[in-house]
Amino acid sequence: GNSVTQMEGPVTLSEEAFLTINCTYTATGYPSLFWYVQYPGEGLQLLLKATKADDKGSNKGFEATYRKETTSFHLEKGSVQVSDSAVYFCAPKWQGGSEKLVFGKGTKLTVNP
Amino acid sequence: DGGITQSPKYLFRKEGQNVTLSCEQNLNHDAMYWYRQDPGQGLRLIYYSQIVNDFQKGDIAEGYSVSREKKESFPLTVTSAQKNPTAFYLCASSIPEGSAFFGQGTRLTVV
Repeated sequence: GNSVTQMEGPVTLSEEAFLTINCTYTATGYPSLFWYVQYPGEGLQLLLKATKADDKGSNKGFEATYRKETTSFHLEKGSVQVSDSAVYFCAPKWQGGSEKLVFGKGTKLTVNP
Repeated sequence: DGGITQSPKYLFRKEGQNVTLSCEQNLNHDAMYWYRQDPGQGLRLIYYSQIVNDFQKGDIAEGYSVSREKKESFPLTVTSAQKNPTAFYLCASSIPEGSAFFGQGTRLTVV
């Protein structure tokens, strides 16, 4: 079945460090790809998305590129801030069939001043 | 403003009681979902519904029940058969090829 594998955390970085969180999915069809962010005690919010191969999603300094050849959608940010501390979820969405939303296990990021 | 609303924010349940968590959306989305999140864990799908009067079990449906009588509403009942219900519950809705919108969550605690 469809699945997603996300880099496990926790990840701890200093402010202004470079961030990468890896995400790969099973190659069944061509899903739309999403990254969500969850701040403490809240629901998830959409961070960015890409709907076809080679698309780059970006928001708030975060970027991720849809890589069909490696079935990946890694999240990156060149210079993290303390306010980026949160849990990040990768979520491919396959169309047709059950429309079931599948999430990675989440990666907790802590950014220290 | 369009959005998805969960209530209550905090809920306490006694042993053996059934409790119902509310989820309402005014986004006109067909699909709605319920997830459970345990501390430090990811999201596990309980139930989902793609259309009114229809719903499917997710990965951990045992001890839970849902209904979808209206497009806007997808309440979740945590029954006494759920042996470990203390968790953070998240409701979401979406459209095909679109992102999911989440409520703010309900934190359920067994006392």
